[in-house]
Order: sequence, then C-alpha cells, then structure tokens
Amino acid sequence: AQSVTQLGSHVSVSEGALVLLRCNYSSSVPPYLFWYVQYPNQGLQLLLKYTSAATLVKGINGFEAEFKKSETSFHLTKPSAHMSDAAEYFCAVSGPFTGGGNKLTFGTGTQLKVEL
Amino acid sequence: EAGVTQFPSHSVIEKGQTVTLRCDPISGHDNLYWYRRVMGKEIKFLLHFVKESKQDESGMPNNRFLAERTGGTYSTLKVQPAELEDSGVYFCASSLQGNYGYTFGSGTRLTVV
Repeated sequence: AQSVTQLGSHVSVSEGALVLLRCNYSSSVPPYLFWYVQYPNQGLQLLLKYTSAATLVKGINGFEAEFKKSETSFHLTKPSAHMSDAAEYFCAVSGPFTGGGNKLTFGTGTQLKVEL
Repeated sequence: EAGVTQFPSHSVIEKGQTVTLRCDPISGHDNLYWYRRVMGKEIKFLLHFVKESKQDESGMPNNRFLAERTGGTYSTLKVQPAELEDSGVYFCASSLQGNYGYTFGSGTRLTVV
C-alpha cells in the first residue's frame, strides 16, 4: 500500500522568496515519485518525476525536488517565487508498472499563494 | 500534438439522472486512466485501461459507475443513477506504454443536485 502526506494545505510566500512544499510518502515497494501542478481552470501538468535515477530531480519552471529515502520525503523547492507560480501542487507516488502503466496515489494538494 | 480532451467541462444533473463523461486520449497512448477529486479531498484513482481492456478497476466506487473504451481509442465513464456524493472533478489521463508520468485532461466538473 502507498500513501502520500502533503504538509500544509495552503502555503503563502512573497515574490522572490524560497518556495518549499513538503511531501512525505509511504511505500512498500521502491517508489516512483511525482509532482504535478494545476493552474486555475487547467488540467494537471507534470512538474517533475523521480524514477530511481538521480536523487535530485530538476523540473520545469525552475522547480526541483530531492528524494531522501531515509526521510521518506520528496519536497519541492524553487529558489525564487514568481507570481505565475500561484497554483495547486500535488505530490504523487506509484509503484512499478502493471500492464505497462502505473497507478498514482496522490496527496491532498497544497495551494501556493504568491504575494507582492 | 493534441492533448487529452475531456467533455463536457461542466455538468449539472439531478440526483437519479444519468451522465456520461468522455475522454479522448493522445493518439497512440495505450494507457488511459480515470481519476476523481471530491471537494477538498485527494485525487483518487478510478481505473486504468490498456487499449480496450480494463487493467485495473479497483478504484471504481460501486456498480453505478461504468467505464468503457471503444476500440482502444476514446473512453466514456457513465454514472447511473447519479448520487449527491458523485459530485467532483473527474480527470482523464493517458500515457505511452512504459512511460512514467501522464498527460492529464482539464477535467469534467460534475455537480449532482
């Protein structure tokens, strides 16, 4: 069984400040980890993914996440927030493929607000 | 390349009625998934198609939900009869075989009144 915990349903940062969105996971098998972002009135967009290669993963729009097995964490960071980063962010975990696909287990999401 | 298309984008129906949601995946994507987000809760897996076959339907809430994927192309998700607790956003996603990370559609917001 797999689960994801995202600490903080709402996070507010100032423009130019560090963004840190927390994600902890539980998995009985080696996990594959993902961050998705949902902008208003849009679908979920993949930001980055960890699939057992490098533990520091770089994604789109300047975001990155580090897989820490000892802490069962996959926190998302961005050095400098921009107003356009305001969105809802979802962390997700999956196990290996079944039938060539993979089922995702999502966290409850973190709404990021960026203030001037 | 066209993305994953879902329609309608919004649907408001009365309790007891039937609603059919449609998803057109990216051409060539064998994997098609349905997920649902009930208000304030996490996004939950409903089912996974590989081509026209149901690979995993462990997340389907009950037998009021019926999913099909005709000829391995588009998919429909029918809710009959709809209940109040079925309200939420239904997402469809697709991926290539062996590819982690899906492409999601914009979702269908279903409201049952």
